[in-house]
Amino acid sequence: EAGVVQSPRYKIIEKKQPVAFWCNPISGHNTLYWYRQNLGQGPELLIRYENEEAVDDSQLPKDRFSAERLKGVDSTLKIQPAELGDSAVYLCASSPPRLAGDHTGELFFGEGSRLTVL
Amino acid sequence: AQTVTQSQPEMSVQEAETVTLSCTYDTSENNYYLFWYKQPPSRQMILVIRQEAYKQQNATENRFSVNFQKAAKSFSLKISDSQLGDTAMYFCAFPTGKLIFGQGTTLQVKP
Repeated sequence: EAGVVQSPRYKIIEKKQPVAFWCNPISGHNTLYWYRQNLGQGPELLIRYENEEAVDDSQLPKDRFSAERLKGVDSTLKIQPAELGDSAVYLCASSPPRLAGDHTGELFFGEGSRLTVL
Repeated sequence: AQTVTQSQPEMSVQEAETVTLSCTYDTSENNYYLFWYKQPPSRQMILVIRQEAYKQQNATENRFSVNFQKAAKSFSLKISDSQLGDTAMYFCAFPTGKLIFGQGTTLQVKP
C-alpha cells in the first residue's frame, strides 16, 4: 500500500515568490493534516481537514497561506508571497476514519517538502 | 490545553548500550494515548510505540519500551541494544484530534 506522497521534496525560492506543495494521502484516509516543522523543532499543525472541510485552521497564517482539499483526497498548500521565516519542512499526514471513542489517533506522514526562502 | 515537553535536546549513546529519552505532558483527560515517533535524517516520521493511558502495563515493541507514570504525567522511551539505525530525532506526541508534539530529542548512536 502506498504511503503519503508529497511533492516537491525540495524547493528553493526567493522571498516574495509564491510556492505550492501537494499531498496525496493514503487511500481511505479521510483526515489530512499539514504541519510545519522548523529546524530542530517539533511539527506544528497548520490545518486539519476532515474530508473536504477544514476543521482546524487556527494556526494557519491566512494572510499568506492558503490550503484546499477540493475532492476530499489530494491537498495543496500555498504560500504567497513567501517570507524568509517560511523556510521549514512542510509535512503532510493522514489518518483513517475513527470510531466514536477511539483515541488512538495515529498519523501517517509523508517525507515532507523542504522549503528554503532566500 | 494539552502540552508535551521534552527536556533533552540532544543525547548520544554507544552502539549496543541502553538510552532513555524523557517526556512529560499535561492533560485533563483520563482516557488517552501517548506516542513516540522517530524521524530519521531526511526521512519520514514513523510511529515507534504507543501507550494506552488506562493500561498499567508499559508498552514494549522489540528493543523499544516505555515507562509510563500516569500520576506523574511522565512517558519515557527506553531503547535497548542501540543500533546505528536508531540515530534520529525522537518526538513524544499526544493525540487530541491532532497530534501535539514535543520539541524533540536528537539521538546519536555512536559506533
